[in-house]
Amino acid sequence: GNSVTQMEGPVTLSEEAFLTINCTYTATGYPSLFWYVQYPGEGLQLLLKATKADDKGSNKGFEATYRKETTSFHLEKGSVQVSDSAVYFCALMGNQGGKLIFGQGTELSVKP
Amino acid sequence: DTGVSQNPRHKITKRGQNVTFRCDPISEHNRLYWYRQTLGQGPEFLTYFQNEAQLEKSRLLSDRFSAERPKGSFSTLEIQRTEQGDSAMYLCASSFAGTGTYQPQHFGDGTRLSIL
Repeated sequence: GNSVTQMEGPVTLSEEAFLTINCTYTATGYPSLFWYVQYPGEGLQLLLKATKADDKGSNKGFEATYRKETTSFHLEKGSVQVSDSAVYFCALMGNQGGKLIFGQGTELSVKP
Repeated sequence: DTGVSQNPRHKITKRGQNVTFRCDPISEHNRLYWYRQTLGQGPEFLTYFQNEAQLEKSRLLSDRFSAERPKGSFSTLEIQRTEQGDSAMYLCASSFAGTGTYQPQHFGDGTRLSIL
């Protein structure tokens, strides 16, 4: 069945450091891929998405490229801020829509 | 757009009691989803509706769990004879699905269930 694997956290970075959170997936067909973020005490928010191979999703300085050849959707940001501290979830949705399948989440802590 | 609303925010109950949660989706969304999230894990799918029809149920959804969306608007999730293992955050999400198009899901803040 479909599945998502994320790098384990927590990830601790200094402000202005470069961020990469790895995400790989297993799926049949052509899934859509998402990154959701959960700030402390808040609900899940959609960060970015990509619906087909080679699409790049971007938002708030974060980017991720849908790589079908490596079945990956790694999240990157060039310069993190303290306010980016949160838990990040990679997720996929099958090509018929429906449920999201999430990775286990990666906690990011950014220190001043 | 008032977002997805879930009530209550917190529920504490004794083992063996029944509980019911409510979710009000974004008004123009025709799909409504339920997920369960335990500490340190990603959300796990439970079930989803398109309008009032329940289209898929997870194997996680034992016979103690039942969900309804009677008029295609709000939904309720009921857990009967609660067990310690039911303690979790229950998340609701909604989205719009058209012919061949599937919009991203928007999540509520969740209902945290604690079983004593």
